[in-house]
Amino acid sequence: AQSVTQLDSHVSVSEGTPVLLRCNYSSSYSPSLFWYVQHPNKGLQLLLKYTSAATLVKGINGFEAEFKKSETSFHLTKPSAHMSDAAEYFCVVNTNTGRRALTFGSGTRLQVQP
Amino acid sequence: SQTIHQWPATLVQPVGSPLSLECTVEGTSNPNLYWYRQAAGRGLQLLFYSVGIGQISSEVPQNLSASRPQDRQFILSSKKLLLSDSGFYLCAWKGDDQPQHFGDGTRLSIL
Repeated sequence: AQSVTQLDSHVSVSEGTPVLLRCNYSSSYSPSLFWYVQHPNKGLQLLLKYTSAATLVKGINGFEAEFKKSETSFHLTKPSAHMSDAAEYFCVVNTNTGRRALTFGSGTRLQVQP
Repeated sequence: SQTIHQWPATLVQPVGSPLSLECTVEGTSNPNLYWYRQAAGRGLQLLFYSVGIGQISSEVPQNLSASRPQDRQFILSSKKLLLSDSGFYLCAWKGDDQPQHFGDGTRLSIL
């Protein structure tokens, strides 16, 4: 079985300050992990993915995430928040290449204050 | 490059009316296709997935059905909509060893 826990439903930061969105997973096998972003009334856009290569993964728009197996975590970070980063972020786990094996976290809404 | 299209973007329907949402993918062949629903303030729920023409798997029992009449076409339907069918519906596709890619979604409101 697999599961994903996004530890914060809402995160608020000031523009120009760092962003940290937390994600913990559980999986019986070596997982693939993803972060998606969703802007209001839009579909989900892939930010980055981890598929057992480098543990530090760089994505689009300055985001990156580090896979820590010992902590079963895959936290998303960005050094400096921009107003356009305000959106909902989903952590997703896939423990095999099966066609329906994706499990989504419940999402974290990121608010960026001017 | 691959693209995915969903339409309509928004839809307002009365209770008891039928539904047809369409999703098409371009630039790839034999993709896996998915329908998700996202209720207000909640995460994504997988409704259906398809690994090929005419092959549909349902994840949850409900008032909806899906069909895949062509390789890159995925349709979500209902004969009679319920109030609880309101939500944001997302189509996604996946190729081998790739993450899922999502369409822009359809906002469905039932009156």
